[in-house]
Amino acid sequence: QQQVKQSPQSLIVQKGGISIINCAYENTAFDYFPWYQQFPGKGPALLIAIRPDVSEKKEGRFTISFNKSAKQFSLHIMDSQPGDSATYFCAANTNAGKSTFGDGTTLTVKP
Amino acid sequence: DAEITQSPRHKITETGRQVTLACHQTWNHNNMFWYRQDLGHGLRLIHYSYGVQDTNKGEVSDGYSVSRSNTEDLPLTLESAASSQTSVYFCASSAGGLSGELFFGEGSRLTVL
Repeated sequence: QQQVKQSPQSLIVQKGGISIINCAYENTAFDYFPWYQQFPGKGPALLIAIRPDVSEKKEGRFTISFNKSAKQFSLHIMDSQPGDSATYFCAANTNAGKSTFGDGTTLTVKP
Repeated sequence: DAEITQSPRHKITETGRQVTLACHQTWNHNNMFWYRQDLGHGLRLIHYSYGVQDTNKGEVSDGYSVSRSNTEDLPLTLESAASSQTSVYFCASSAGGLSGELFFGEGSRLTVL
């Protein structure tokens, strides 16, 4: 049973466009929803995160939208740049600190 | 600067051999995790530890073991390597509590022939 479902698997966006990646979860015990960014040959690194008591969090060009009733959250990358080309993982944590990851989205931003 | 280091970064081994992947963190974090990353499967949890002498199984723990004798290290052992264990392995740590952020190492690529 996959607890966190992520889509799309891959995404191609033109420079300056908006990239949108979606995730859905089942376990209502999750209480922390981070997004990680991973470049080839590197480990994932935290990009932005949200807790379920807010519906949106914005950091620069990156925004998380969170819909608690639908058990869905999404990452929006505004004004996408070639340097944003990477693999993005959504995750969901329990209060015990364990992270369950989505399968990842490979983003390519074309110049 | 605090960091988390993994070794070796690359290893090729044969089926049936025992392999140990090292993970060392200088964050002084209580929580440590091992994940494997395979194409199409994202990151799957193998084992985790919330402190010294504490170890727990994750979703894909068969064929793997860990031990936690100090705060800094969580070595991952493959008792008898199998071709299905060819993967990239990531160690991560977190402070726990309200902070859920994971700090990852750079990964260890293991090939089992």
